[in-house]
Amino acid sequence: AQTIHQWPVAEIKAVGSPLSLGCTIKGKSSPNLYWYWQATGGTLQQLFYSITVGQVESVVQLNLSASRPKDDQFILSTEKLLLSHSGFYLCAWGRGLGSDYTFGSGTRLLVI
Amino acid sequence: GEKVEQHESTLSVREGDSAVINCTYTDTASSYFPWYKQEAGKSLHFVIDIRSNVDRKQSQRLIVLLDKKAKRFSLHITATQPEDSAIYFCAAVNTGNYKYVFGAGTRLKVIA
Repeated sequence: AQTIHQWPVAEIKAVGSPLSLGCTIKGKSSPNLYWYWQATGGTLQQLFYSITVGQVESVVQLNLSASRPKDDQFILSTEKLLLSHSGFYLCAWGRGLGSDYTFGSGTRLLVI
Repeated sequence: GEKVEQHESTLSVREGDSAVINCTYTDTASSYFPWYKQEAGKSLHFVIDIRSNVDRKQSQRLIVLLDKKAKRFSLHITATQPEDSAIYFCAAVNTGNYKYVFGAGTRLKVIA
């Protein structure tokens, strides 16, 4: 069975500090991977997607970057956090186009 | 960009009644329509979907209807139970370009 793990569970970070969030998927080779951001209040925004190692596509510009260093790993990062980065970050994987997502448990980020 | 409008931001129903959540989409190339449930403080999980080659799908107490001409789809939850209380997200997917657009969510409260 496939499992998806996100880390850390929660972070409190200062404005201007760096951030790195991780996501790993086990039990599935070459998954399509996605990063989403959920603002307080519930709206979901797709940030990045990756269909293969080393290739990441950006959907919106929020002063964030993403990388896929391994087939089962997806990293979201920034060198300088903004207050507007606060929210709930969700990693998801899908089998391909037109399939449902399996979401990780998410990382809650508070930037102060 | 393409949008999905979720018409009910909040919905309250009595236990045992039916709940209906409506969504409309703008991308005529959308062909896959999943629904997700988010319980309080948790991540999202998939509940049901429908593809554009059918106009109705049922899974136990969940029914999804799709009207392609009106670019509208809906989730019907019959015989609601307290554990159905959650935020429900609809999404419309263009399977040609990895664009997975979510609605803003509907907070459903089932009153015992």
